[in-house]
Amino acid sequence: QKEVEQNSGPLSVPEGAIASLNCTYSDRGSQSFFWYRQYSGKSPELIMSIYSNGDKEDGRFTAQLNKASQYVSLLIRDSQPSDSATYLCAVKKMEANNLFFGTGTRLTVIP
Amino acid sequence: EAEVAQSPRYKITEKSQAVAFWCDPISGHATLYWYRQILGQGPELLVQFQDESVVDDSQLPKDRFSAERLKGVDSTLKIQPAELGDSAMYLCASSRTPRGGFGETQYFGPGTRLLVL
Repeated sequence: QKEVEQNSGPLSVPEGAIASLNCTYSDRGSQSFFWYRQYSGKSPELIMSIYSNGDKEDGRFTAQLNKASQYVSLLIRDSQPSDSATYLCAVKKMEANNLFFGTGTRLTVIP
Repeated sequence: EAEVAQSPRYKITEKSQAVAFWCDPISGHATLYWYRQILGQGPELLVQFQDESVVDDSQLPKDRFSAERLKGVDSTLKIQPAELGDSAMYLCASSRTPRGGFGETQYFGPGTRLLVL
């Protein structure tokens, strides 16, 4: 079983719609969760981090964490063509300082 | 805004040749990571340093890969000899706190894209 699993997509949404990206993780002891955005040929850039159950909002982005279900999601409201990228879910386990990444979900926002 | 620096940005080499990548983390960051990202996959950790010491190199193919961070600042990752399967993006990241920092953000450099022919 992979440490972090994501639907690879591609996920296509029209401009202005809400994009919903999902991620599950296998280690119940995981303590920190991150969403990175990666444009083609570029390195990952941090969008959001979340540590506690519930929702965390930052502008058009909302991260949701449910530790009981071992589930993390990212909602992008009012999606823009510039949001078209691969979104990587990353998890930090309690006993390690490195991140475990999913394979990423490719998002396309259609103008 | 401080950034992680990496060079070269692109490298094309023939199999069996040696290649080296350089990374300069954000000033003051104690922890440095080297990740490898194969096309279509997420980054995977190769080696992690805290200051000049290796914390985790369990996924580093030690028969051909080596990494060092001699003065606890910049770092070099070497591959010798390179193989076709080494073609990937090599990402360097750094974080401020030593090992065990809860929720500490990792900042990535621009990466080195390696193509082995």
